Amino acid sequence: GENVEQHPSTLSVQEGDSAVIKCTYSDSASNYFPWYKQELGKRPQLIIDIRSNVGEKKDQRIAVTLNKTAKHFSLHITETQPEDSAVYFCAASTIFYNNNDMRFGAGTRLTVKP
Amino acid sequence: DGGITQSPKYLFRKEGQNVTLSCEQNLNHDAMYWYRQDPGQGLRLIYYSQIVNDFQKGDIAEGYSVSREKKESFPLTVTSAQKNPTAFYLCASSIIKGRSYEQYFGPGTRLTVT
Repeated sequence: GENVEQHPSTLSVQEGDSAVIKCTYSDSASNYFPWYKQELGKRPQLIIDIRSNVGEKKDQRIAVTLNKTAKHFSLHITETQPEDSAVYFCAASTIFYNNNDMRFGAGTRLTVKP
Repeated sequence: DGGITQSPKYLFRKEGQNVTLSCEQNLNHDAMYWYRQDPGQGLRLIYYSQIVNDFQKGDIAEGYSVSREKKESFPLTVTSAQKNPTAFYLCASSIIKGRSYEQYFGPGTRLTVT
């Protein structure tokens, strides 16, 4: 089955700096890679996702890159703000008809210092 | 915060007792999932169901059971066979066809077994 590894486990940056979180996956059949943000005491929520037919996707200050050959993908947050502080999870899934068995990384606790 | 609900928010049980966690969604999603969240281990998949009356084991299904008699409901039973049941349990749902595969999470149930 799929195995997703995520690094680093904790990350502390100064407000305004960039933050990068990296994930690797094991199953070459995986074709969908979402990122979830979980604020303290709240449920995880999707912030960005990418499919395997795309190498990069951007949404304002957040971007995700995917390297299918190397089987790794990364989340990039630019101009970080204190409200970006949260735990971020990457995930990988093989999406085809009638299947969506997503596996998550262990999470990265991001702290943005004002 | 509507759409997918879990109850109760906190649950306390004595060792040796089975306990059932509720998960209900009104999003008309076909797929539902149960995850266990432990510090430093991210979200681990317990069971998932793509359709009514069908479900598959995830990575840590031992000591758990589920049912999917209705599309809206996917209850999880933590049995006395689960060796370390104290954890935070998250339920999620998603569509499995179309342009979006976002998983929508419930607020979670924190189970403490003593």
